[in-house]
Amino acid sequence: GNSVTQMEGPVTLSEEAFLTINCTYTATGYPSLFWYVQYPGEGLQLLLKATKADDKGSNKGFEATYRKETTSFHLEKGSVQVSDSAVYFCALSDNDYKLSFGAGTTVTVRA
Amino acid sequence: NAGVTQTPKFQVLKTGQSMTLQCAQDMNHNSMYWYRQDPGMGLRLIYYSASEGTTDKGEVPNGYNVSRLNKREFSLRLESAAPSQTSVYFCASSITGGGYEQYFGPGTRLTVT
Repeated sequence: GNSVTQMEGPVTLSEEAFLTINCTYTATGYPSLFWYVQYPGEGLQLLLKATKADDKGSNKGFEATYRKETTSFHLEKGSVQVSDSAVYFCALSDNDYKLSFGAGTTVTVRA
Repeated sequence: NAGVTQTPKFQVLKTGQSMTLQCAQDMNHNSMYWYRQDPGMGLRLIYYSASEGTTDKGEVPNGYNVSRLNKREFSLRLESAAPSQTSVYFCASSITGGGYEQYFGPGTRLTVT
């Protein structure tokens, strides 16, 4: 079946540091890949997505590239801010109605 | 445009009590979902409704029932609550399945004692 593995947290960074959160997946087909973000006390919001190999999703300074050869979709941001403190979830959808989520990575950015 | 709304925000139940979590969306989406979120486990799908009039089991359906009341509303019922159902519950909706973005509600924090 489908599964998503993302790096365990928590991750603590200083403002303006570089952030990488690793995500790898297992899927039988050609899934769409997502990064969702959950700010404290809120529901999940879509951060970015990619629907086919070599696509790059980007939003709010975050980027992730769909790498079929390594089955990965790592999230990166070059210079984080305190407001980026949140829980980040990698997820995949294999052309059905189900999103498979990773366990989530808690990121804390200190001023 | 409120997006996805859920009620209540918080609830405490005793073991064996029943309750219904309500969810509504105003985006004219066809598909709706119920997830639970537990520490270290991400979100797990309980039930989903691909379209009005249909419901299907997800990954962890035991102990739950759902009703797709109309295109806007999708409720989740716990008939006899158990401590293992203590969790945060999220409702979501999407235009349809197959890789479309899911929009999430703010969640319901449920504690079963």
